[in-house]
Amino acid sequence: EVQLVESGGGLVQPGGSLRLSCAASGFTFSSYWMSWVRQAPGKGLEWVANIKQDGSEKYYVDSVKGRFTISRDNAKNSLYLQMNSLRAEDTAVYYCARDGFVVVPAAPGAYYYYMDVWGKGTTVTVSS
Amino acid sequence: DIQMTQSPSSLSASVGDRVTITCRASQSISSYLNWYQQKPGKAPKLLIYAASSLQSGVPSRFSGSGSGTDFTLTISSLQPEDFATYYCQQSYSAYTFGQGTKLEIK
Repeated sequence: EVQLVESGGGLVQPGGSLRLSCAASGFTFSSYWMSWVRQAPGKGLEWVANIKQDGSEKYYVDSVKGRFTISRDNAKNSLYLQMNSLRAEDTAVYYCARDGFVVVPAAPGAYYYYMDVWGKGTTVTVSS
Repeated sequence: DIQMTQSPSSLSASVGDRVTITCRASQSISSYLNWYQQKPGKAPKLLIYAASSLQSGVPSRFSGSGSGTDFTLTISSLQPEDFATYYCQQSYSAYTFGQGTKLEIK
């Protein structure tokens, strides 16, 4: 069964740090880009970051640049999100997601990407 | 950055109704557009990718169309399990979600 399981959430004070983990199983982890997506209480979805299969490319939403770091360990089938200098507005459920892909017709080397497998999420609360 | 705007933000409909949700991108994104369904307390579920491709296992009453800047998600005949929040998401340049459309029972 294809599965993603997040862990590492919890209560942290403003300015603190937290490291989220996502354990993947049931698919070839090293073949996929992976993403983190968050959802603040009562709000919509916000993509946070993603990382290429070999970790050589990483992208972030502007609001977390310089504070969050995405990484992966393909040998352990695991994705991570190191969160530093946490703020109250970082309070959210954090989801790990697989970036599925298909080839764009008539465009060699181009792919459509979409998040096709999601974990159940882990809750991060930033509060004093 | 590419902004995604969904309309309406909320919608009331009845079982059996045909429903359309619209998503507009702030610049052309070709067909790099996906749709998700989310129920309270649950992770999002992929419905449509590449603007019009139905994800495996998703009922055929869901369909997507559009390209460039304007996209639609259509549910041909609403079922009780379809009442949820729907999000569009672009993957042309990084990723951005729309603000969501909450579909409620009339």
